[in-house]
Amino acid sequence: SYVLTQPPSVSVAPGKTARITCGGDNIGIKSVHWYQQKAGQAPVVVIYYDNDRPSGIPERFSGSNSGNTATLTITRVEAGDEADYYCQVWDDGGDHVLFGGGTKLTVL
Amino acid sequence: EVQLLESGGGLVQPGGSLRLSCAASGFTFSSYAMSWVRQAPGKGLQWVSTISNNGENTYYADSVKGRFTISRDNSKNSLYLQVRFFKVEDTAVYYCAKAARGHDAFDIWGQGTMVTVSS
Repeated sequence: SYVLTQPPSVSVAPGKTARITCGGDNIGIKSVHWYQQKAGQAPVVVIYYDNDRPSGIPERFSGSNSGNTATLTITRVEAGDEADYYCQVWDDGGDHVLFGGGTKLTVL
Repeated sequence: EVQLLESGGGLVQPGGSLRLSCAASGFTFSSYAMSWVRQAPGKGLQWVSTISNNGENTYYADSVKGRFTISRDNSKNSLYLQVRFFKVEDTAVYYCAKAARGHDAFDIWGQGTMVTVSS
């Protein structure tokens, strides 16, 4: 079955750039969506369809997807970006929604 | 305002049953696929089930297939999850989520309803 692999944690200093990866076999041919979940809150989509940003999401959030890795990039990181981030795809083979295991972003 | 509001959670015994509901407002409910996603305490997001906009197509995670049934009533702007034969490992916050397009890309989430399975 298809698996999405994320690093458990990423740390970054304020004002720097954070990159969170999501690995999967030939994930570049799939549409990848990214969710931010702050403590005690429901998830919020920050990027969908690889690099589309929903209204209200800052331009600091961007996505890319190629080969075996999708990446969520957050520039000029702020303390308020500290959260868990999840990648997600639709697995056509099994007609399933798949989530990555999540990455905890810590702002130092 | 676009909103999803879950209800129906609570404490249930192993082997018990429950129906979760999700009331939608602020968008044309019948135009979008809907899903249930759960999150066990301290764990990541786990997809549970998806239903197409007209209810004709349903999809389930292997871990719940045969025990969970997703349904919707477009006349009531409501989504449901009927759960039978609860297991302890079903303990989680259950979120309903709206698909932006297709089956996924969940652009609207409810606040979640907690289900605790315990004797």
